[in-house]
Parts: sequence; C-alpha cells; structure tokens
Amino acid sequence: GESVGLHLPTLSVQEGDNSIINCAYSNSASDYFIWYKQESGKGPQFIIDIRSNMDKRQGQRVTVLLNKTVKHLSLQIAATQPGDSAVYFCAEPGWGYQKVTFGTGTKLQVIP
Amino acid sequence: DGGITQSPKYLFRKEGQNVTLSCEQNLNHDAMYWYRQDPGQGLRLIYYSQIVNDFQKGDIAEGYSVSREKKESFPLTVTSAQKNPTAFYLCASSTGGPGSYEQYFGPGTRLTVT
Repeated sequence: GESVGLHLPTLSVQEGDNSIINCAYSNSASDYFIWYKQESGKGPQFIIDIRSNMDKRQGQRVTVLLNKTVKHLSLQIAATQPGDSAVYFCAEPGWGYQKVTFGTGTKLQVIP
Repeated sequence: DGGITQSPKYLFRKEGQNVTLSCEQNLNHDAMYWYRQDPGQGLRLIYYSQIVNDFQKGDIAEGYSVSREKKESFPLTVTSAQKNPTAFYLCASSTGGPGSYEQYFGPGTRLTVT
C-alpha cells in the first residue's frame, strides 16, 4: 500500500553543521509533500512544502529536494542550531488532500 | 490570537471510563482532524470533519467517537471500547478548500489510562 517512511530514526548533528533528513515514498502518483517539525510535547508545525513539478524549494535555512525518479525527498537544514532539535516528519496528503499520511519521523539531536 | 486549543494538557482516567478531549479553533477553518501519536510513532488519523455536522472515520476510528455541532469545536470521546487508549492526542484544522493542504496543530493532550 501507500506509505511514507523515513530512513533513520535519529540523527545527531554538531551545532553549526548542515543536517539532512531523508524520506522515501512509495506512491509514484504522489504530487505534494509537506515537512513538519515537532518539538517535544508539542504539536507539529509546518516547515515547508513542495509540489511534484518542482525539484527544489528553499525557505529560511531549509531546503527540500524532491527526486521523483527514486521517490525520495530530503530536508536540508543549514547551520543547525539547538532550537532545531525536534522530530521531523514528511507528510503526504492523500486523495482529496484531506487525509494526510505522516511518516514515522526522524529525531534530530543537535550537539552543542 | 488565532489558533487551536486543546484541553487539558494532561488527562488521567481509570480503565472502563469514557473521556472527552476538547479541541477548539478560532481560525475559521472548515476542516478539523484528530490524530493519535504513540512513542516513536508517526501520527495516525482517527477522525476528520470537512464541514459542520459531518465527519468521516480515519485509519483507527474503532473505540473513538466525535461530533461536529459547531465549526470551531471538534471534541473526541475515547470510549471504554478503545483497547489501548494511553497516547498523545493531537487535533488539527485546515481551511479545507482547494490548495489548502497545511494543517495547523494544537498543543496536544496526553491521556493516561490505568
């Protein structure tokens, strides 16, 4: 069935380094993806999204790359800061864009 | 301030009791959602509502019930039929219209049933 998964459960990064969080999807018809950030004990927050007609989208310190050939997307965080420590989810809106499938999440730990 | 509120933040109940979790939004959003999150897991959809007086089951609706009598409110009842109710519950909303895919989440309610 359709799924959205993440390659690594935990990622440890030195403060100031760049972080790369990966996500694989199985439905080749998927045309829209969202990245969320969830801090401990809080609800997820929207970070950035990307449509399938794009390969790359940039935000403030974040970049999302989409490789439709291998059904993979990644979230890159530049100059990682302690405040970036959180769980990051990629999510895929399903049919009608009302049901969203969330991946398991990757926990980003920033080492001071 | 606009946003979604969930109350209470922590909730404790005895096994066999029904419990209702509150979710209120003042964003004027049409669509509202309930998710369950277990440790080390992603979010799983319980119920969603695209309009007042209408709602649909998500992937794990068994043992849960909802109502949508007002646009701003979408309470979730965890019934005694839910076999493993202890979890972190998240409510979300979105505008629900075409192109409106971003969901805004509340702070969550952590339910513990013993």
